[in-house]
Amino acid sequence: GDSVTQMEGPVTLSEEAFLTINCTYTATGYPSLFWYVQYPGEGLQLLLKATKADDKGSNKGFEATYRKETTSFHLEKGSVQVSDSAVYFCALKSNAGNMLTFGGGTRLMVKP
Amino acid sequence: DAGITQSPRHKVTETGTPVTLRCHQTENHRYMYWYRQDPGHGLRLIHYSYGVKDTDKGEVSDGYSVSRSKTEDFLLTLESATSSQTSVYFCAISADRDEQYFGPGTRLTVT
Repeated sequence: GDSVTQMEGPVTLSEEAFLTINCTYTATGYPSLFWYVQYPGEGLQLLLKATKADDKGSNKGFEATYRKETTSFHLEKGSVQVSDSAVYFCALKSNAGNMLTFGGGTRLMVKP
Repeated sequence: DAGITQSPRHKVTETGTPVTLRCHQTENHRYMYWYRQDPGHGLRLIHYSYGVKDTDKGEVSDGYSVSRSKTEDFLLTLESATSSQTSVYFCAISADRDEQYFGPGTRLTVT
């Protein structure tokens, strides 16, 4: 079945550092890929998405590129802020179904 | 933000009691979902609905039932709560089977 693997956290960075959170997936066909962010005490918010190979999703300075050859969708940001502290979830949705399959989440802590 | 509310937001109940969680949307979206969130597991799908009275099981449906009698409401019922069902429950909605929008969550504790 489909699966998503994320790097375990927490990831602790200083403000203005470069961020990478790794995400790899296993799925049949050509799934859509997503990054969601969860701030403390809140539900998940869609951060960005990509629906086909080589697509780049971007939002709020975050980027991720759909790499079919490496089955990856790594999240990057050039300069993190304290306000980016949250839990980040990578997810996929296969073409055939309605369900999102989530990774385990990665907690990011940004220190001033 | 998508108009999704969940009630209650917090609940403590005893083992063996029935519990119903409610998800209400004002977006008229066709698809609705119930997930549970547990440390290390991300979110796992319990049940989903693709229309009024149309529901299907997800990955972790044992011990849960759902009902959708109106487009705007999706109910999740634990017939006899167990401690393993202590979790945070999220409802989500979707118009087009692609992007999903999540509610604020319900924290359920079964003692």
